[in-house]
Amino acid sequence: DAGVTQSPTHLIKTRGQQVTLRCSPKSGHDTVSWYQQALGQGPQFIFQYYEEEERQRGNFPDRFSGHQFPNYSSELNVNALLLGDSALYLCASSARPNTEAFFGQGTRLTVV
Amino acid sequence: DQQVKQNSPSLSVQEGRISILNCDYTNSMFDYFLWYKKYPAEGPTFLISISSIKDKNEDGRFTVFLNKSAKHLSLHIVPSQPGDSAVYFCAARNSGNTPLVFGKGTRLSVIA
Repeated sequence: DAGVTQSPTHLIKTRGQQVTLRCSPKSGHDTVSWYQQALGQGPQFIFQYYEEEERQRGNFPDRFSGHQFPNYSSELNVNALLLGDSALYLCASSARPNTEAFFGQGTRLTVV
Repeated sequence: DQQVKQNSPSLSVQEGRISILNCDYTNSMFDYFLWYKKYPAEGPTFLISISSIKDKNEDGRFTVFLNKSAKHLSLHIVPSQPGDSAVYFCAARNSGNTPLVFGKGTRLSVIA
């Protein structure tokens, strides 16, 4: 049983570009959440998707958007990249009504 | 506004001794608390959790204690092993499948 898988594992982008990160949830999970972990910080909640809709959102600008597909996989899109967007982006999946979230290995995004 | 605080960035413990990692929270609506362990280049891995209706939960070498009146929880690892060396994140959430709020993490080093 594969856990949460994310792609790509590493990515380098230039300021102003756009990026798409992908996540496949753990089998049996229908809820996907995205987190940003900056260096030396804990993961910060970006948004959560359930039934293909954004259900909750953290304090992130509209440049951050997402999507969930019928197979529960998800994408995170970031437009107009800034240097400060450099971070580890983590995807977590969970199965309602469970409260344990399982994380992928993350995508390391570097904006230059 | 840090709702979950881990005030010790790092902790060093000798192999075989007890490791105690501390976490404080400010949001009285939190009713479920989790500890995650993170190795470099990997996503956080769920370790142990505790509901606010309990004050202790034990799983093998890991025990989490919750003091609701002090809004404080701690993770005890006994005995500590070199493989426990990692960054430990304390996280909390409200009831239901709400987003996790993480602390900044404590880096534990277990010295052989």
